[in-house]
Amino acid sequence: DAMVIQNPRYQVTQFGKPVTLSCSQTLNHNVMYWYQQKSSQAPKLLFHYYDKDFNNEADTPDNFQSRRPNTSFCFLDIRSPGLGDAAMYLCATSRPLGQGRYTFGSGTRLTVV
Amino acid sequence: GESVGLHLPTLSVQEGDNSIINCAYSNSASDYFIWYKQESGKGPQFIIDIRSNMDKRQGQRVTVLLNKTVKHLSLQIAATQPGDSAVYFCAEKFGNEKLTFGTGTRLTIIP
Repeated sequence: DAMVIQNPRYQVTQFGKPVTLSCSQTLNHNVMYWYQQKSSQAPKLLFHYYDKDFNNEADTPDNFQSRRPNTSFCFLDIRSPGLGDAAMYLCATSRPLGQGRYTFGSGTRLTVV
Repeated sequence: GESVGLHLPTLSVQEGDNSIINCAYSNSASDYFIWYKQESGKGPQFIIDIRSNMDKRQGQRVTVLLNKTVKHLSLQIAATQPGDSAVYFCAEKFGNEKLTFGTGTRLTIIP
């Protein structure tokens, strides 16, 4: 089945140690999103790629970066994780902007110790 | 700014009963609405969507109602089951803008 896959499901990292989360998709969707979600809150958009074009949200800290080497893969890099960055990180995809439905991965639960 | 909000943060329903989850939106220009279900430790899962040119859409055991006059969206789940326990998010979109999520309602099904 076509889907959005996130690895790993659970990630523990040390305070200040760079960490990378990955997302892959078999839907061939143009747009890929990264969301941060803290307990029972709504997902908060960090940034998205429309093909190779990167679009950062105004309030996303510089500590968060992203790479999209090809259509299928997108990475979230946290350069120096702080305790406040512990959260669920969700990857989603959609067809070009204007098409409504986003398909989400299962998420990566990040713990910072 | 524009936002999507929910009337109730929690809702408990007896198994087998129908449930209604409500959502208020403030952008009258929004033309697309969607409901997601999120189980504990998982990503949001699409339930049903509706465009602004409709006022009702039905799926399997779920119905979404859109009242544009009062800017209100609701999700009805018929004959609730234990597996329906989750957090439900509504979201809205206008044109090519990104999806804006509401704050979520936690639905608990009581056996």
